[in-house]
Amino acid sequence: GESVGLHLPTLSVQEGDNSIINCAYSNSASDYFIWYKQESGKGPQFIIDIRSNMDKRQGQRVTVLLNKTVKHLSLQIAATQPGDSAVYFCAEKEPGGGADGLTFGKGTHLIIQP
Amino acid sequence: EPEVTQTPSHQVTQMGQEVILRCVPISNHLYFYWYRQILGQKVEFLVSFYNNEISEKSEIFDDQFSVERPDGSNFTLKIRSTKLEDSAMYFCASTPQGANYGYTFGSGTRLTVV
Repeated sequence: GESVGLHLPTLSVQEGDNSIINCAYSNSASDYFIWYKQESGKGPQFIIDIRSNMDKRQGQRVTVLLNKTVKHLSLQIAATQPGDSAVYFCAEKEPGGGADGLTFGKGTHLIIQP
Repeated sequence: EPEVTQTPSHQVTQMGQEVILRCVPISNHLYFYWYRQILGQKVEFLVSFYNNEISEKSEIFDDQFSVERPDGSNFTLKIRSTKLEDSAMYFCASTPQGANYGYTFGSGTRLTVV
């Protein structure tokens, strides 16, 4: 079946640098996407979401870009801090009822080097 | 900030035994979910619950699983006869208006079946 996948399992960046985490999705019908951060021993924490009628959405230090043409989603984190070290998941949802589940990618481990 | 609370944080059980994982969703939320994450793998959707009944369930959610909202605050996941492969982190989540508005996840219950 269709699935969400991540290009890089591990990404290491210097503190203060910007980081970009990528996600490829294969279900062209998906209309809602979310980025989650998961720290060790904790549940996924919502970072930012985007709907398919948008190309870009910005939050505090984070930006999500959606390219529906190539079915690609990215998360940009500006001026990375040690607290940004975590596993980042993208998730997608097909159109439908509000009770439908999300399909998660495998995750990218972001490591912030001092 | 409101939280989704899960108990216990870690449960060890013998194969074949029944377990009940407990969750207290955020009080004004209407949609409730269970997800699981086998170590090193993706977060996987199990089931969603709305208006006191199951709305959607995945292939993983077979007859060994059941969910219940026994009162106005708790949301439980029961595994009737645990198998070794049920060992995973189980996450509860809730949303106020459905999956298109992001989720709040709990910190999870680590289930170990021995």
